[in-house]
This record gives sequence, C-alpha cells and structure tokens, in this order.
Amino acid sequence: AQTVTQSQPEMSVQEAETVTLSCTYDTSENNYYLFWYKQPPSRQMILVIRQEAYKQQNATENRFSVNFQKAAKSFSLKISDSQLGDTAMYFCAFILYNNNDMRFGAGTRLTVKP
Amino acid sequence: DVKVTQSSRYLVKRTGEKVFLECVQDMDHENMFWYRQDPGLGLRLIYFSYDVKMKEKGDIPEGYSVSREKKERFSLILESASTNQTSMYLCASFNTGIEGRQPQHFGDGTRLSIL
Repeated sequence: AQTVTQSQPEMSVQEAETVTLSCTYDTSENNYYLFWYKQPPSRQMILVIRQEAYKQQNATENRFSVNFQKAAKSFSLKISDSQLGDTAMYFCAFILYNNNDMRFGAGTRLTVKP
Repeated sequence: DVKVTQSSRYLVKRTGEKVFLECVQDMDHENMFWYRQDPGLGLRLIYFSYDVKMKEKGDIPEGYSVSREKKERFSLILESASTNQTSMYLCASFNTGIEGRQPQHFGDGTRLSIL
C-alpha cells in the first residue's frame, strides 16, 4: 500500500521569506501523480500544485515550486516570498496513475508571521 | 468553476442516530469521495464511487455506508452514530480526463459532533 509522510506537523515563516515543506512517500509503482493541497482556515481544500511522476522537470506555479526527487521518493514544496494568506494546513497527496485511491499525508500547519 | 456542495457545515447528533451527509457536485464528475479529517491523521478515505450505484471501500469504511443514486449526488450514512465518529467530513470529486489525473475538488466540509 502507498503511504505519504509529512514529518513537520507545524512550521512558521516570516512574511516575504522562503519556506520548504517536506513530503516523502512510499510506493513500488512507477506511474503516479503527486499533489500539494492547501486548506486555509475557511476550510475548503484547494489545489496548489501537481507533479506527474514521469516528468523530470519540477512543477512551478507562481511562488510555489516543488523539488521532486523520484529516486528518493521525496516531494517537497517551496513557497517563496511568503504572504499572510499562505497561512494554512498543507497536505501532500499521492495517487497511482490507474487508481482512484488518493493518499494524503497528515498535513503541515504553516503560519506566516507579519 | 467546479462546485462541490456539502449540505451542512456544522451538525450535532446523538449517539445511535442515523445520520446523512449529503454532497452534490455540478460538473458531471464520475468519481466522488468521502474522507474524514482528524488532527495528526490527515485525510482518510471512507468510501468512493466511480459511477452511479457503484461504490468501493476506502481505508475506514466500518460504521459507514454510502449511496449514489444519481451522478451528481453522493451520500454518506452513519447507520448508528457513535462518539468516535465525531470529526470533519470532506467530500471530493474529479473526472478522469484525457490529460491525466485531474486534481480533486473539495467541498467546504461538515464538522459533525456526536453527543
């Protein structure tokens, strides 16, 4: 079975600085997708960024980028120029290419301080 | 934009009651999911459905059942609510697109308290 581990339950960062959230996963499969979701205090979960395992290039969305290390089964999220609105729970998620069963990590609570 | 709507944001029920949580999506998605979210445990899959009248058990189906009579609606049922089912419940949906795995779209969540 696939598992996703987020080893940082809580993190904080000063506004405008950069922070990296870590995520590791375990699978014996080769084709899969990885996601980072953000859940602000308002609670609705929204997609931050997506990475296809077959792509070597790291995904980037504005201030959000990932460091995808397939051999190490690592998928970290880097937030540059942190903003107060980035304060949220962040979940790393994994899904196999041909499966509907998405696995989530336990989440990292990020606080951006003014 | 995809809209996933959960019928209640807050719900308080008593032990032993039968509880219905409703979820509706408006984008004709094939796949719908029910998760429960607990601190330190992330999201755990209860059930999912990939088509009308089809359902699959997730990691923690015990004490729950689901119903999908129409494509847009996926209901989670607590047959006899117990206090350990107090939690946040999240519904999600997505379509299987030709562009590969699409992200899930989530509802706002229902915070359920069982007294």
